[in-house]
Amino acid sequence: DVKVTQSSRYLVKRTGEKVFLECVQDMDHENMFWYRQDPGLGLRLIYFSYDVKMKEKGDIPEGYSVSREKKERFSLILESASTNQTSMYLCASSLAAGGRTDTQYFGPGTRLTVL
Amino acid sequence: GNSVTQMEGPVTLSEEAFLTINCTYTATGYPSLFWYVQYPGEGLQLLLKATKADDKGSNKGFEATYRKETTSFHLEKGSVQVSDSAVYFCALSDRTSGSARQLTFGSGTQLTVLP
Repeated sequence: DVKVTQSSRYLVKRTGEKVFLECVQDMDHENMFWYRQDPGLGLRLIYFSYDVKMKEKGDIPEGYSVSREKKERFSLILESASTNQTSMYLCASSLAAGGRTDTQYFGPGTRLTVL
Repeated sequence: GNSVTQMEGPVTLSEEAFLTINCTYTATGYPSLFWYVQYPGEGLQLLLKATKADDKGSNKGFEATYRKETTSFHLEKGSVQVSDSAVYFCALSDRTSGSARQLTFGSGTQLTVLP
């Protein structure tokens, strides 16, 4: 079974702090994704990566950056946390798109609260 | 751009009732369509998928048919159980960057099944 793990289930930080969210997958997937999930808005893509050191902006990248130094690990960084970044953060991974479908496998999520 | 519109929730049903959750989409290309499920406290899991028009995806008693003429992918189950209580997300996969197919999600529908 594919396993995607996230470093914390719950996190509380102060406004202005630098925050790191870590994600690790164990299935040698090329693609990794970071989403945030907010009530009534579904999941929105923040950033994704299709290879080591490669990254692309998603729909809402402002206030976030990412790092992918190793294939299995994808980090989301909040340079200076703000209260409007309080949310559930979900990481996902998928194999390279060799066909029409490209199933994404999700981690359990990190619920971040910024005070 | 691509978008997914889901039936507003929450939906509350009695055990053994028939379930329909509506999903319609807008896409410029020929998307693949997915239903994901999120059980309480967990990440998203793929429930079913369809890659082309008239395909039917099915899993765990749930079904959805890819209807290109009505741009819809409604989720149905003939007899729901308490254990089906979860949030259901409709999604489409169309855009490709590098090797990564991106997903666009609907806002989610909360289902509660009462015994």
